[in-house]
Amino acid sequence: DGGITQSPKYLFRKEGQNVTLSCEQNLNHDAMYWYRQDPGQGLRLIYYSQIVNDFQKGDIAEGYSVSREKKESFPLTVTSAQKNPTAFYLCANALLTGLLGEQYFGPGTRLTVT
Amino acid sequence: AQSVAQPEDQVNVAEGNPLTVKCTYSVSGNPYLFWYVQYPNRGLQFLLKYITGDNLVKGSYGFEAEFNKSQTSFHLKKPSALVSDSALYFCAVRDDGTDSWGKLQFGAGTQVVVTP
Repeated sequence: DGGITQSPKYLFRKEGQNVTLSCEQNLNHDAMYWYRQDPGQGLRLIYYSQIVNDFQKGDIAEGYSVSREKKESFPLTVTSAQKNPTAFYLCANALLTGLLGEQYFGPGTRLTVT
Repeated sequence: AQSVAQPEDQVNVAEGNPLTVKCTYSVSGNPYLFWYVQYPNRGLQFLLKYITGDNLVKGSYGFEAEFNKSQTSFHLKKPSALVSDSALYFCAVRDDGTDSWGKLQFGAGTQVVVTP
């Protein structure tokens, strides 16, 4: 988990509310990613960002939004349009120039929506 | 398009015995392969990767993996398993296609249970 912080670790929200998950890094890496993890489904990519003020949709972007105003921060907003938001959310980053390199993951945020 | 398959949901092994976790992949270009481990309620930790070169890759905590291009496989191995190796293991792949942009495709994960 070194270099990437996600807060809070556990988050509870009522259905219909938007919620923002924090992801901060001090590794000075260019690329940042958001994944969703559900039991038995592995990790699915929500959004990714290559550089500041630029981001791309991943495989399951519907109902989510992101921003990348600073290199070290990549917050994820889970909107009320996301039909099944309860999941474990993981933020990761990687050196942009090192496409051959591994991604580094934060500790995750477990979101429960009731 | 790229995809990864981990055919076993769970692998059970006795402590001290060899451990193997299977992974097969499909990519359109050259594969870049990774193994990660996840402990309960934690993020993923990088174990090892294959980019090019020697087909046998050594990684953290005594793990190694063998790249087999003809079988499109990248199985994770450890000669002698420890109880502390019990965790969820993920295989991931990316290819060097122009539209992949470093995106990783993950397998569904394999739960490893090592019994004393």
